[in-house]
Amino acid sequence: QVQLQESGPGLVKPSETLSLTCSVSGGSISRYYWSWIRQPAGKGLEWLGRMYSSGSANYNPFLKSRVTMSPDTSTNQISLKVKSVTAADTAVYYCARVVYSYGSWYFDSWGQGKFVTVSS
Amino acid sequence: QSLLTQPPSASGTPGQRVTISCSGSSSNIGSNTVNWYQQLPGTAPKVLIYGDNQRPSGVPDRFSGSKSGTSASLAISGLQSEDEADYYCVAWDDSLNGHVVFGGGTKLTVL
Repeated sequence: QVQLQESGPGLVKPSETLSLTCSVSGGSISRYYWSWIRQPAGKGLEWLGRMYSSGSANYNPFLKSRVTMSPDTSTNQISLKVKSVTAADTAVYYCARVVYSYGSWYFDSWGQGKFVTVSS
Repeated sequence: QSLLTQPPSASGTPGQRVTISCSGSSSNIGSNTVNWYQQLPGTAPKVLIYGDNQRPSGVPDRFSGSKSGTSASLAISGLQSEDEADYYCVAWDDSLNGHVVFGGGTKLTVL
């Protein structure tokens, strides 16, 4: 069974770039789509984007091009970068695998989440 | 940003049947399938329903999904205390080059 684990700094300064890595074990990142989703404390879920293992991606249009995702097939990892962060980017960040069945794309496996605080 | 509309809260007693609604538009629920996720306190979400009404293996048949037009519903029958959680509906939205939209979430309390 595939397992996902997010890692990276838990504290980022305003205006800097948030960088996280999702390490995938028990399966290859190849031939799958992968997403990042975040959740501010006590609030709902927000989709950041979706990336195929080849590197092609599409992002949440409401994040104004601040988000970038990229794969590393040699290390079986997915990375996330969010630039020019503000306090509003403080959240738990999840990576998730995307699968397709019965005409539907859905997130079938999730990491445990990484809490990131944006503060000086 | 666009969101699917869910009631913020729902409640029921053990054994009862509860439904949670999710309202969208022609660009999301009206033209794409709906998935439902359950998030227990302090944990990552878990898929309950995909493709409007399909249950992944391991999800009890007490959980069921349906869709009509631009609205969807999640029904939980035989409510149990361990069903107390947040529930989210999700769909693809065809606008703005396509993106995923989440509902705001419904907190289910088992009384």
